[in-house]
Amino acid sequence: KQEVTQIPAALSVPEGENLVLNCSFTDSAIYNLQWFRQDPGKGLTSLLLIQSSQREQTSGRLNASLDKSSGRSTLYIAASQPGDSATYLCAVSHDNSNYQLIWGAGTKLIIKP
Amino acid sequence: DTGVSQDPRHKITKRGQNVTFRCDPISEHNRLYWYRQTLGQGPEFLTYFQNEAQLEKSRLLSDRFSAERPKGSFSTLEIQRTEQGDSAMYLCASSESWTSGGAVEQFFGPGTRLTVL
Repeated sequence: KQEVTQIPAALSVPEGENLVLNCSFTDSAIYNLQWFRQDPGKGLTSLLLIQSSQREQTSGRLNASLDKSSGRSTLYIAASQPGDSATYLCAVSHDNSNYQLIWGAGTKLIIKP
Repeated sequence: DTGVSQDPRHKITKRGQNVTFRCDPISEHNRLYWYRQTLGQGPEFLTYFQNEAQLEKSRLLSDRFSAERPKGSFSTLEIQRTEQGDSAMYLCASSESWTSGGAVEQFFGPGTRLTVL
């Protein structure tokens, strides 16, 4: 059974710092991995999607990497801003038959001005 | 706005009542998913549709839960005889069934927050 873990559960850093969020998964036979952002009481916004054949994806100040063999993904946020404060979740899909997502519990990020 | 929409955004009900939620996916998406999220946790998969066909249901979806997508467009999720343990955020997502690059991305609605008193 696939399990997804995100450490730390919460992180607080000063504005301007670069930071890394971690996601690990137990079954390396994944199809895709997605990183999402969730603001309090709101739905989920997709940030980056990495296919199993890819090593990384970039969007603006965000860079996500994937190492399937070790069951790990990282989300790198450069030059953090207070507006980046949110909960960040990663999710993996098992295969290409249904794209069901298995989720981590998220990392709550606070960027201090 | 052509994103995923959900209605209502909030629902407060008394234990034992029935509730129904609606999800309108992105119009060109033929896959629709329902998830449930409790406080401090990631979402849990409930069920998904390919067009009007319900192809998979989680064991979390007890007999009190039913989902439909009658015309392959919007979907409804009904909970009968609600219990306090049903209190959660119910999220809907939609996607294409495939892309040429193989990267099928799910897009989420704002969710319906259910509180059962």
